Amino acid sequence: QSALTQPPSASGSPGQSVTISCTGTSSDVGGYHYVSWYQQHPGKAPKLMIYEVTRRPSGVPDRFSGSKSGNTASLTVSGLQAEDEADYYCSSYAANNDVLFGGGTKLTVL
Amino acid sequence: QLQLQESGPGLVKPSETLSLTCTVSGGSITSTIYYWGWIRQPPGKGLEWIGSIDYSGSTYYNPSLKSRITMSVDTSKNQFSLRVSSVTAADTALYYCARLWYGQLDDWGQGTLVTVSS
Repeated sequence: QSALTQPPSASGSPGQSVTISCTGTSSDVGGYHYVSWYQQHPGKAPKLMIYEVTRRPSGVPDRFSGSKSGNTASLTVSGLQAEDEADYYCSSYAANNDVLFGGGTKLTVL
Repeated sequence: QLQLQESGPGLVKPSETLSLTCTVSGGSITSTIYYWGWIRQPPGKGLEWIGSIDYSGSTYYNPSLKSRITMSVDTSKNQFSLRVSSVTAADTALYYCARLWYGQLDDWGQGTLVTVSS
């Protein structure tokens, strides 16, 4: 059971868009529609931002969007704002009710 | 508004057993839709799923931790618990409890720091 692969860092200027990738296998990301993304600010608990690949929980701005192609899922943050600077983690459901996390991506708003 | 709150000792000695409890309020732990899980985050590092349990006590553990993990549920108290045996410094982490649906964690506790040290 290997962790999902995310880039360690990403950055963008205010107003720009940035996309973070999350690569797994056909046994997790590619095999299920249950990919989720979490935002974590320093000292805070993670917050669900995207679930079921593309869906946003109530209260999450529509600047956040998710997608998936094959074994790779992506989170796109459009119209970057200063408060978007945080760590982002992807997660996928896997066989036997396992849960896999990515290593996390630190998003910097320049 | 669902709330989850972790509780337990903040300091555990090496080779001993770490025990944490998560109290759920604002909702019932007996929901047939959700699982309840534990996730940990070593200082400065990423998230690691520890395991999940449903209201009936069915458990699913991270294979890498399975030999040392025990989870249980107490529906009368709306709580679920985690035990990690034979702890080492590598088990030092912020431990979170959360509600899961197909591996997606929609509500989290605030986390509790557990340090393994003599």
